Amino acid sequence: AQRVTQPEKLLSVFKGAPVELKCNYSYSGSPELFWYVQYSGQRLQLLLRHISRESIKGFTADLNKGETSFHLKKPFAQEEDSAMYYCALSEESQGGSEKLVFGKGTKLTVNP
Amino acid sequence: AAGVIQSPRHLIKEKRETATLKCYPIPRHDTVYWYQQGPGQDPQFLISFYEKMQSDKGSIPDRFSAQQFSDYHSELNMSSLELGDSALYFCASSLTNEQYFGPGTRLTVT
Repeated sequence: AQRVTQPEKLLSVFKGAPVELKCNYSYSGSPELFWYVQYSGQRLQLLLRHISRESIKGFTADLNKGETSFHLKKPFAQEEDSAMYYCALSEESQGGSEKLVFGKGTKLTVNP
Repeated sequence: AAGVIQSPRHLIKEKRETATLKCYPIPRHDTVYWYQQGPGQDPQFLISFYEKMQSDKGSIPDRFSAQQFSDYHSELNMSSLELGDSALYFCASSLTNEQYFGPGTRLTVT
C-alpha cells in the first residue's frame, strides 16, 4: 500500500530561520506528490505539486526518488507560515479519479 | 473565483440519526472526492465520483452512501450515526489531478 510519512508532528522555529518539513513516501509506480497547507480554521489549500516545480510563498519542494522524499523548505520562515502542513501522494484508481493519501501532518509554529 | 461549496458547515445529530452532507464542485470540475478528518487526524479518503459514476472507494462504512448528480454536485448520506462519526468531512473537486477542497462540514454526533 502507498504510504506517506511525516516524521515530525510539531515543528517550532523562530521568524527568519530556515525551515524544512520532512516527507517520505513509498509508492510502487511514478509518484505524484503534493503539499497542502491548512491555516487555523480554514480549508486545505494546495501549496505545491512536484510536477510544477514552482516556488509558492517562498516554499520549494524537490522530489528525490533515490531517497523517496519530498521535503518542503523555506529559507526564511514568517509568522504567517504557522499552519498545519500535509504531504500527500496521488493514487490513481481504475475509475479515472486520483485519490490523495495524506501524511499525518506537521504543525509548524513560527515564533516572533 | 468560485470555490467548492459545502453545506451545511456545522451539523449536530444524535446517535442512530441520519445526516446528508452536500458538496457543490467548482464549475466544470468533473470529479468529486469525499474525505473524513477525525480530531487531530489526517484526512482519510472515503469515496470519489468521476462523471457521475463512482470511481473509487476507500474506508467508507456500509452505513454511508454517496452519489453525484447530473449537475455534478454530490451528497454523502450517513445513516445510523455513531459517536465515532464525529469529524470534519471535506469534499474536493478536480478537473485535472489538482484537488481543490471545500471548507468542510463539521459533524458532531451526541
